[in-house]
Amino acid sequence: QKEVEQNSGPLSVPEGAIASLNCTYSDRGSQSFFWYRQYSGKSPELIMFIYSNGDKEDGRFTAQLNKASQYVSLLIRDSQPSDSATYLCAVNIENTGNQFYFGTGTSLTVIP
Amino acid sequence: DTGVSQDPRHKITKRGQNVTFRCDPISEHNRLYWYRQTLGQGPEFLTYFQNEAQLEKSRLLSDRFSAERPKGSFSTLEIQRTEQGDSAMYLCASSLGQGRWTEAFFGQGTRLTVV
Repeated sequence: QKEVEQNSGPLSVPEGAIASLNCTYSDRGSQSFFWYRQYSGKSPELIMFIYSNGDKEDGRFTAQLNKASQYVSLLIRDSQPSDSATYLCAVNIENTGNQFYFGTGTSLTVIP
Repeated sequence: DTGVSQDPRHKITKRGQNVTFRCDPISEHNRLYWYRQTLGQGPEFLTYFQNEAQLEKSRLLSDRFSAERPKGSFSTLEIQRTEQGDSAMYLCASSLGQGRWTEAFFGQGTRLTVV
C-alpha cells in the first residue's frame, strides 16, 4: 500500500470557485504534512505545511488535517487560472528517518 | 539567489555513459535530499544526508548510483553505466533540521535523457 494517495484528477473548476484537493496517508506515525505545487516541467514549490489537527490558512489557501481519519486536504479559494498545476501531497513519517513521501499529485485546471 | 541550485539543468547522454549532477543547498540547511521523478508520478526518495553523513538510501538506488556530500555543503549524484530507465527528473531538496521535521525546498531539477 502506498504511503500517500491522491486522486490524480484532472480536477477542473471555474475561475473564482473553490478547489478542493484531497490526500490520505497510511502510516499513523506521520507527523507533518506538506502541499507542493508543481507546474509542468518545473520543480515542486512548497505552498503550505501543517502539523496539528484542524485548519491552517494562508491567503487563499487552507490546509486541513484530520489525523484520526488520516486525511489532509488543501482548499484554494477564488481559484485563478495561474493556480492550474499539479498539487503534490507529502508526509514526513516519524521513525523512518527524515524522508518525505509524496503522492502522485492531483492535476488542477482552473477554467477562465 | 539563495535557493537550492542544481547543475546541469538538462543532460542528454548515451546509454552506458556515466553522469554526475551537482546540488548546492540553501546555505544554512543541514539536510539534503535527492529524489527522482518520472512523468505523472510524484517524487521518489533516493537518498538523504544530514551534514556530510548519508543517513538513508532507498532500495531504489542501485549500485550504479552513488551520492556524496563531502563537506556537508554541496552534494553530487553519480549514475554509472546509464540505462534508458534512468531517464527522469532528478530533484534535490534541502531543509533546516530542527527537531524531527521541517519543510523541504526543491531546486529546479536536472532532467536526464538517456538515448
